[in-house]
Amino acid sequence: AQTVTQSQPEMSVQEAETVTLSCTYDTSESDYYLFWYKQPPSRQMILVIRQEAYKQQNATENRFSVNFQKAAKSFSLKISDSQLGDAAMYFCAYRSHQFYFGTGTSLTVIP
Amino acid sequence: EAGVAQSPRYKIIEKRQSVAFWCNPISGHATLYWYQQILGQGPKLLIQFQNNGVVDDSQLPKDRFSAERLKGVDSTLKIQPAKLEDSAVYLCASSLVRWGGDTDTQYFGPGTRLTVL
Repeated sequence: AQTVTQSQPEMSVQEAETVTLSCTYDTSESDYYLFWYKQPPSRQMILVIRQEAYKQQNATENRFSVNFQKAAKSFSLKISDSQLGDAAMYFCAYRSHQFYFGTGTSLTVIP
Repeated sequence: EAGVAQSPRYKIIEKRQSVAFWCNPISGHATLYWYQQILGQGPKLLIQFQNNGVVDDSQLPKDRFSAERLKGVDSTLKIQPAKLEDSAVYLCASSLVRWGGDTDTQYFGPGTRLTVL
């Protein structure tokens, strides 16, 4: 069965610094997608970044980038120049025919 | 563009009672998802609709949970009877299509927080 593991329940970062959130997954599929979602305290989940498994190039979205290691089944999120508005729960998610979310990492940004 | 709407935002019921949640997806979105998010956990997909048909309900506890999406637009999720362990936030999401690049990006509603006493 597919599983998504986020081993860091909580992380903190100084404003303007860089932080990396970890995610590993388990699958026997070859075609799938990976996502990072952000859930601020208001609880509306929003997509941060997505990665297609068949693409070798790591996805980037402004200050957000991923390090996708397909062989290692690792999908980490790097947030550069952290801002106060980045404080939230971050969920890693996997999708092939089903959708699976990790347990989340709570990110605190310290002014 | 209006987002995904859900109601009610909060609901408190006694165990063994029934409850229903409503979701109105973004206009034109063919795919609709219901998730259960228990405190401290990630969302768990309960059911997925493509238009008014069920694509996947493998994780839906069918003895007490039911969902429908009549006319392929808005949807209701029902729990009957509720148990203590059903206390969670129920999230609805929609996407333009089920599978296909950026058009399958899921947009989430604000959720309904259910407390079962």
